[in-house]
Amino acid sequence: ILNVEQSPQSLHVQEGDSTNFTCSFPSSNFYALHWYRWETAKSPEALFVMTLNGDEKKKGRISATLNTKEGYSYLYIKGSQPEDSATYLCASLSGSARQLTFGSGTQLTVLP
Amino acid sequence: KAGVTQTPRYLIKTRGQQVTLSCSPISGHRSVSWYQQTPGQGLQFLFEYFSETQRNKGNFPGRFSGRQFSNSRSEMNVSTLELGDSALYLCASSPGQGPYYGYTFGSGTRLTVV
Repeated sequence: ILNVEQSPQSLHVQEGDSTNFTCSFPSSNFYALHWYRWETAKSPEALFVMTLNGDEKKKGRISATLNTKEGYSYLYIKGSQPEDSATYLCASLSGSARQLTFGSGTQLTVLP
Repeated sequence: KAGVTQTPRYLIKTRGQQVTLSCSPISGHRSVSWYQQTPGQGLQFLFEYFSETQRNKGNFPGRFSGRQFSNSRSEMNVSTLELGDSALYLCASSPGQGPYYGYTFGSGTRLTVV
């Protein structure tokens, strides 16, 4: 992996479903991995900053895990609610990058 | 606590003109980064400033420049505007330099070049 990649690109789930998405990043020279939530007409909001392999972070119904050796992070949302609808961005400083590099995001729509 | 303030919110300019965008970080934050978002693209890194010094620059032409003042406020300038410069420009501040701090983003400046 040379860049930060996120999958899926978009996702529709029913209210109450749990869901997860993936962020892949270069595993070499790893410094940090960020997750942000970006709601329409608002600013991106920081969810987590993760730096250690095996890190797990939790904020309410949202949690994230980090595997720096294989270069991936998962974001989980338990019991999705319509207000969780947003684009979720990850960003890493790793590989040959000299600055935080963002993925293109996963657009989540939670249907009531 | 005031958030990150970007001005103006919207801007329409003509090809060939220049534009200056402003970003006031959260009080006490010394690092300011700028990103460009165009349709279908992720956030593309422009610059990072810390203590009035440019620490990093993204892969953008020299028409894009920036600076940071002693009060940590930052400006970015785009000269000789092109249609492709139409984008949302976001700035983000953090307490220190480096990737270990979460960014607080402003609401962005939507630039349209006609």
